[in-house]
Amino acid sequence: AQKITQTQPGMFVQEKEAVTLDCTYDTSDPSYGLFWYKQPSSGEMIFLIYQGSYDQQNATEGRYSLNFQKARKSANLVISASQLGDSAMYFCAMREGRGRLTGGGNKLTFGTGTQLKVEL
Amino acid sequence: NAGVTQTPKFQVLKTGQSMTLQCAQDMNHEYMSWYRQDPGMGLRLIHYSVGAGITDQGEVPNGYNVSRSTTEDFPLRLLSAAPSQTSVYFCASSSRDRGTYEQYFGPGTRLTVT
Repeated sequence: AQKITQTQPGMFVQEKEAVTLDCTYDTSDPSYGLFWYKQPSSGEMIFLIYQGSYDQQNATEGRYSLNFQKARKSANLVISASQLGDSAMYFCAMREGRGRLTGGGNKLTFGTGTQLKVEL
Repeated sequence: NAGVTQTPKFQVLKTGQSMTLQCAQDMNHEYMSWYRQDPGMGLRLIHYSVGAGITDQGEVPNGYNVSRSTTEDFPLRLLSAAPSQTSVYFCASSSRDRGTYEQYFGPGTRLTVT
């Protein structure tokens, strides 16, 4: 089974509108973390937001928020007030466990990504 | 503070050649990883390290070797390049000092094997 599933290969959104990028995950580890990364056409990986499995509140970072629904195993990224510069590939990723025995939290499993295009 | 650096940025190899992709970080992070990115497949973990002298295999380790003799450096060796290893390679580092274990990525190396 896929550990991280992103079902939207491509999305379009109009400038200034909000958009939700879907991510579902699968793990039996009670301790895990979920990340969203942005990859613009220049190729670098840019960290956006993080949600820990024990965090009580949904994470927010500026215009980015993570809609974390633990029972449904979903961690959707919400971008408010889209800008042209938000056009990029977006990856959801999961870290399972923590500490040296599980790879020090340095083992991320990535989804296949969602290509977001912001239009005028 | 340069963060995570990778060299070279681009490389073309012939089938059967060997080479080393360099990765260095100056953040004193204990954890480092190598990923490859292929079209439509996201990033996949090749090898990772939880400290100097300690490495382990990820999801797609075949054809690659790593070693970690210092905290700063984590080179990736291609033993005998194959066209299937044409990809973009990312090195990343993280630290448990940040509770998130957020990974900092290098700029990537685009490798073509002909």
